[in-house]
Amino acid sequence: DVKVTQSSRYLVKRTGEKVFLECVQDMDHENMFWYRQDPGLGLRLIYFSYDVKMKEKGDIPEGYSVSREKKERFSLILESASTNQTSMYLCASSLYPDRRTGELFFGEGSRLTVL
Amino acid sequence: QKEVEQNSGPLSVPEGAIASLNCTYSDRVSQSFFWYRQYSGKSPELIMSIYSNGDKEDGRFTAQLNKASQYVSLLIRDSQPSDSATYLCAVLTGGGNKLTFGTGTQLKVEL
Repeated sequence: DVKVTQSSRYLVKRTGEKVFLECVQDMDHENMFWYRQDPGLGLRLIYFSYDVKMKEKGDIPEGYSVSREKKERFSLILESASTNQTSMYLCASSLYPDRRTGELFFGEGSRLTVL
Repeated sequence: QKEVEQNSGPLSVPEGAIASLNCTYSDRVSQSFFWYRQYSGKSPELIMSIYSNGDKEDGRFTAQLNKASQYVSLLIRDSQPSDSATYLCAVLTGGGNKLTFGTGTQLKVEL
């Protein structure tokens, strides 16, 4: 079974803090994604990566950055957390580079609260 | 116009009935379509993918795609209380490299 592991299930941070959300997958998947999920807004893509050291902006990249130094690890960074970044963050990976790119495996999520 | 639209529900069906979930999308060149199920407090999990016009069946689930009308649907036959969840429609857009989700339809299967 594919396992996507997010290091922290629950985090509480203060406004202005730097926040790191870590995600590791164990199936040698090429593609990794970061989404946030908010009530009424659904899942929104923040960043994605199709290869090591490669990243592309999703729909809402403002206030976020990412790092992919190794194939299995994709980190989401909030340089200066703000209250509007309080959300559920979901990491996902997928194996295929073609039309099956949308066959995602999700981690359990990291619920971030920014005070 | 949202890229992927779903009725938020809740959609209530009696146990044993057919549940019909619908989704429309705006990007005419989209080629890949997915249905995810998300239980309360859990992450989404893929249940169906469909790439060609017509129907695709997998157990009690049938995905239907009509590219001309830009809609995709999910039918759940013999609905069970364990099917109660939010169902997310997702479409591969942006030239095929970005998966966009709808906001989901909440399904309630009642005894």
